[in-house]
Amino acid sequence: DTGVSQDPRHKITKRGQNVTFRCDPISEHNRLYWYRQTLGQGPEFLTYFQNEAQLEKSRLLSDRFSAERPKGSFSTLEIQRTEQGDSAMYLCASTPSRPLAYEQYFGPGTRLTVT
Amino acid sequence: DQQVKQNSPSLSVQEGRISILNCDYTNSMFDYFLWYKKYPAEGPTFLISISSIKDKNEDGRFTVFLNKSAKHLSLHIVPSQPGDSAVYFCAAIRGGSEKLVFGKGTKLTVNP
Repeated sequence: DTGVSQDPRHKITKRGQNVTFRCDPISEHNRLYWYRQTLGQGPEFLTYFQNEAQLEKSRLLSDRFSAERPKGSFSTLEIQRTEQGDSAMYLCASTPSRPLAYEQYFGPGTRLTVT
Repeated sequence: DQQVKQNSPSLSVQEGRISILNCDYTNSMFDYFLWYKKYPAEGPTFLISISSIKDKNEDGRFTVFLNKSAKHLSLHIVPSQPGDSAVYFCAAIRGGSEKLVFGKGTKLTVNP
């Protein structure tokens, strides 16, 4: 059973450009999460999907950020008009729908550098 | 407002000794707690968890203790091994929520 995969692993972009990241969750995990981690901090919640429905969004997710999960499988996170403050590690996690399945399983992350 | 706090940024122990990592929380609505381990350039890896209805959970070398009245939990690693060197994150979640709230992490170094 493969784990959560994320692509790309690293992305360097210039300020003002748009970027898109992809996350493939563990097979049959119907819950998917995006987090952001900056240096010296723990991961911070961005958004959550159950199947294809986006059910929760953090106030950290400004209108420049959009996430999708078409067909309830993989998910994409797009950042428009990137700013230097967007430089961070973007982490994806998934979990199955079992009672009390609070453990979330993380992918390796996409490190974004905005120059 | 940091709801989950790990006040020790780093900890160094000798191989074979016990490592104790501490975590405090402020939100009494949290009812499930988790520890994750993170190596550089990798995502966090789930280690062990505990429900608020318990005060101890053990898995091999790892034991988590929960003191609800003090809003404090700790992770014990016995015996510590060099491969345990990593950043350890404490996380908490409220029943009915899907959002894990993480501390800032503690960097553990186990010296051979």
